[in-house]
Amino acid sequence: DVKVTQSSRYLVKRTGEKVFLECVQDMDHENMFWYRQDPGLGLRLIYFSYDVKMKEKGDIPEGYSVSREKKERFSLILESASTNQTSMYLCASSSAHSGTSQETQYFGPGTRLLVL
Amino acid sequence: GQSLEQPSEVTAVEGAIVQINCTYQTSGFYGLSWYQQHDGGAPTFLSYNGLDGLEETGRFSSFLSRSDSYGYLLLQELQMKDSASYFCAGGAGKSTFGDGTTLTVKP
Repeated sequence: DVKVTQSSRYLVKRTGEKVFLECVQDMDHENMFWYRQDPGLGLRLIYFSYDVKMKEKGDIPEGYSVSREKKERFSLILESASTNQTSMYLCASSSAHSGTSQETQYFGPGTRLLVL
Repeated sequence: GQSLEQPSEVTAVEGAIVQINCTYQTSGFYGLSWYQQHDGGAPTFLSYNGLDGLEETGRFSSFLSRSDSYGYLLLQELQMKDSASYFCAGGAGKSTFGDGTTLTVKP
């Protein structure tokens, strides 16, 4: 069964702290994604990765960085958390075969981050 | 750039049929996907159209017309559990998501 896991369901951090959000998938997928979801704004892509050690900026990369040292793991890093980064963070993975139904993204349960 | 437009809210009664439309402007468009998200949960995949036409999966169907840059999700025999947000997504490789349509099913 397909599985994407995220390190925390809920997280509370203080302004200025460095925050690590971890995502692990067990489907041997090449592609991994980080989104944030805010009410009324849908899912906005922060960063994505097509392969180990590769990363691409999404639509809202400012204030974030990522790391993909192993195929199954994709980390999102908030270098210095700010209150406007309070949000739901969703990780997803997909197969590399674009243009087919294998583009399907499988999502983790999400991490609800509160920055005080 | 890439953008997908869908209605913000739709309301229907149990047993009815509802259609959620999605119009898009994307470069290098491959296909259109649909996801369902219940309150507090993660999005889950419903359907994918890589070619023009209708795809049917049980009570749910999805349609794509590339010439019109348009697609829709059709939900039949609505049930209370279908109350959720529905997102269309498309693009080249990395998907861009619409802002979502909140479907409320009333008894």
